[in-house]
Amino acid sequence: EAGVAQSPRYKIIEKRQSVAFWCNPISGHATLYWYQQILGQGPKLLIQFQNNGVVDDSQLPKDRFSAERLKGVDSTLKIQPAKLEDSAVYLCASSSPWGLAGDNEQFFGPGTRLTVL
Amino acid sequence: EDKVVQSPLSLVVHEGDTVTLNCSYEVTNFRSLLWYKQEKKAPTFLFMLTSSGIEKKSGRLSSILDKKELSSILNITATQTGDSAIYLCASGVYGQNFVFGPGTRLSVLP
Repeated sequence: EAGVAQSPRYKIIEKRQSVAFWCNPISGHATLYWYQQILGQGPKLLIQFQNNGVVDDSQLPKDRFSAERLKGVDSTLKIQPAKLEDSAVYLCASSSPWGLAGDNEQFFGPGTRLTVL
Repeated sequence: EDKVVQSPLSLVVHEGDTVTLNCSYEVTNFRSLLWYKQEKKAPTFLFMLTSSGIEKKSGRLSSILDKKELSSILNITATQTGDSAIYLCASGVYGQNFVFGPGTRLSVLP
């Protein structure tokens, strides 16, 4: 079973620039998550999609962050413009709907490490 | 606000020691408690716990959930240097949301 794919793996930009990350979840997984993990902290949920609809984006800084999952499969997360404090690893994860596997295990992608200078 | 707390935040032991990592949660609509191991890359799944008092084991790792105390522990026996990692605890809530704790950084010295 192929895992969650993310790209790019690393990105270095200057503040006020824009950046976009891409995620391809595990085939058949309806739920997709974007997390921000700052060094030394646990992952913080930014946005959760169920198919192509947003379930939870309460912690997404909407003045600069946006995300979409137009066809209910791939997703992109954009930051525009970036700030120094956005330096973090951005993790994408997916899970299958409740009940199919009995547990709602999340599978994580390798992450994108963003450095904002 | 949903919250997951882990302790200790950092731990240094020697190979062969046994360690116990703690996780407590305060969430509405609790569904499950998950443990992950994170080395240099993305978190990898260890355990999911939904029922109180039932221990899950995988090799030298084991975990148990106490719903009355809103907590869970992760035990690692006969630690090895390869166990050095950050151990994340997360609470799954209905609606498939997950709330992560800050993690426990475990260092196992030879």
